[in-house]
Amino acid sequence: GNSVTQMEGPVTLSEEAFLTINCTYTATGYPSLFWYVQYPGEGLQLLLKATKADDKGSNKGFEATYRKETTSFHLEKGSVQVSDSAVYFCALLNSGGGADGLTFGKGTHLIIQP
Amino acid sequence: DVKVTQSSRYLVKRTGEKVFLECVQDMDHENMFWYRQDPGLGLRLIYFSYDVKMKEKGDIPEGYSVSREKKERFSLILESASTNQTSMYLCASSEGWHTEAFFGQGTRLTVV
Repeated sequence: GNSVTQMEGPVTLSEEAFLTINCTYTATGYPSLFWYVQYPGEGLQLLLKATKADDKGSNKGFEATYRKETTSFHLEKGSVQVSDSAVYFCALLNSGGGADGLTFGKGTHLIIQP
Repeated sequence: DVKVTQSSRYLVKRTGEKVFLECVQDMDHENMFWYRQDPGLGLRLIYFSYDVKMKEKGDIPEGYSVSREKKERFSLILESASTNQTSMYLCASSEGWHTEAFFGQGTRLTVV
């Protein structure tokens, strides 16, 4: 079956620090990979995605590269801001036709201190 | 922009009540989903639908049912609410099986 594993946190950083949130996955076939962000009291928003190996997704200064050889999709940002404080979810969508939507990791709570 | 709208942000219901959570999307998406989100457990899929009047069980369907009478609307029904159904409920829609999902703002349900 499909599964996503990510560091749960909370992860606490100072403003302008470098961010890495690790995400690894298990899937049959060739999944698409996503990072979603959830701000306090809100639903999930798509942050970035990658649909095939070696693709790099990027948005709002965040980046993640689809690494098939290590089955990973780590989220990075060079300089975080207080406004980046949120919960980040890694997710996969299998290309094998599984009609059951996204498989999510448990989420990583990120806290950025001024 | 895709808009997925859930009818309530916060709900408080009593044990044993029948509860309806409504979700509407405005992008003519085929697929719609209901998840619940709990601390330490992440998001878990309750039910999904790939067409009008079609539904499939997700990972945790017990105690829930769904209805999709129109393409844009997907309702989650708690037949007899219990305290262990206190949670954040998230609705989502997607255009196809290989595209990302778009989420509503969530409904925080408290069952007392």
